[in-house]
Amino acid sequence: LAKTTQPVSMDSYEGQEVNITCSHNNIATNDYITWYQQFPSQGPRFIIQGYKTKVTNEVASLFIPADRKSSTLSLPRVSLSDTAVYYCLVGDIGNFNKFYFGSGTKLNVKP
Amino acid sequence: GAGVSQSPSNKVTEKGKDVELRCDPISGHTALYWYRQSLGQGLEFLIYFQGNSAPDKSGLPSDRFSAERTGGSVSTLTIQRTQQEDSAVYLCASSLRLAGGEDEQYFGPGTRLTVT
Repeated sequence: LAKTTQPVSMDSYEGQEVNITCSHNNIATNDYITWYQQFPSQGPRFIIQGYKTKVTNEVASLFIPADRKSSTLSLPRVSLSDTAVYYCLVGDIGNFNKFYFGSGTKLNVKP
Repeated sequence: GAGVSQSPSNKVTEKGKDVELRCDPISGHTALYWYRQSLGQGLEFLIYFQGNSAPDKSGLPSDRFSAERTGGSVSTLTIQRTQQEDSAVYLCASSLRLAGGEDEQYFGPGTRLTVT
């Protein structure tokens, strides 16, 4: 069953690019990698999803190497409002469907 | 359109009592998920439904926990004989389909359960 590992926390300053890496060594062939953002007292919110190589949308980019054993969420020019917990999710469709969120990375953006 | 809704938003109960938590998914979403989040912790997957079926219940913490879904829509998570360690935020999510996590999950605001 795919499990994920992320850094517990990261600090950054406004305007900087932030890269958060998630390890998922046991990712299965059909699994997608999804990143979510969570603010206090709210449910997680979808940021970006990918299968391999690079995906970009209006808020972030997702880099996935060829072996897919890790992925990196890139947030360009962060602002104070990007302070949140970021979760990496890998779906496992094996015999069971258990969706493992990583422990999450607490991003603290400073002025 | 309407998002995922959960009720109640807050629930305080005495140890040993039973509680029922409700989730209304987005209309048309076939997959529904329950998670638990303890204070300051990450999300712990509990169970998912594809339609009204829950293929794997092994993520439920104990036999005091049960869940059902009817009509491919509303789901209830029931905790019997609550314990203090059950205190947490219970989050529900739904997605259009279930395919190895390919589809985005839309989360509700959660139910904060406090067992005294």
